[in-house]
Amino acid sequence: AQTVTQSQPEMSVQEAETVTLSCTYDTSESDYYLFWYKQPPSRQMILVIRQEAYKQQNATENRFSVNFQKAAKSFSLKISDSQLGDAAMYFCAYRTLNSGYALNFGKGTSLLVTP
Amino acid sequence: NAGVTQTPKFRVLKTGQSMTLLCAQDMNHEYMYWYRQDPGMGLRLIHYSVGEGTTAKGEVPDGYNVSRLKKQNFLLGLESAAPSQTSVYFCASSEVSANTGELFFGEGSRLTVL
Repeated sequence: AQTVTQSQPEMSVQEAETVTLSCTYDTSESDYYLFWYKQPPSRQMILVIRQEAYKQQNATENRFSVNFQKAAKSFSLKISDSQLGDAAMYFCAYRTLNSGYALNFGKGTSLLVTP
Repeated sequence: NAGVTQTPKFRVLKTGQSMTLLCAQDMNHEYMYWYRQDPGMGLRLIHYSVGEGTTAKGEVPDGYNVSRLKKQNFLLGLESAAPSQTSVYFCASSEVSANTGELFFGEGSRLTVL
């Protein structure tokens, strides 16, 4: 089974600064999807960014970008120009071909943004 | 757009009581999922369905049952609730095609078992 590891339970960043959240995964598949979801205090799960494994180019969405290292099985999220609204739990997830394409989630990283 | 709707949003049960969580999606998605979220554990898959009339077990299925009688609805049942089932439950859905891979989530249902 695929496992997703987020080694940072908590991170803190100052407003306007840059922060990187780490994620590693374990898989024997060659084609798959990776995701970062954001969960603010409202509890809603919000898709931040998605990466297809067959694409070498790192995905970007405005202030959010990833560093995808397929050989190292690493998928980190970089948040630039951090804003107070970025404060949330961030979950890294792997989409498996088993279990009806369900997502396997890491345990999450709680991001605090300070003024 | 409603997307994925879960009812109820909150519920308190006594040990041994039963209840059903309802998930409804209006996006005509084939695949639906039930997850539970516990502090420090992320989201764990309980059951899933790949189409109307089909269900399958996920990572943590014990103590739960599910049904998918209609394509748009996915029900999660607790026949005899236990305190260990105190959690936040999320329903999600996705398209059959793996081109996007995205799951669309409901807002969650907080269940407390006393």
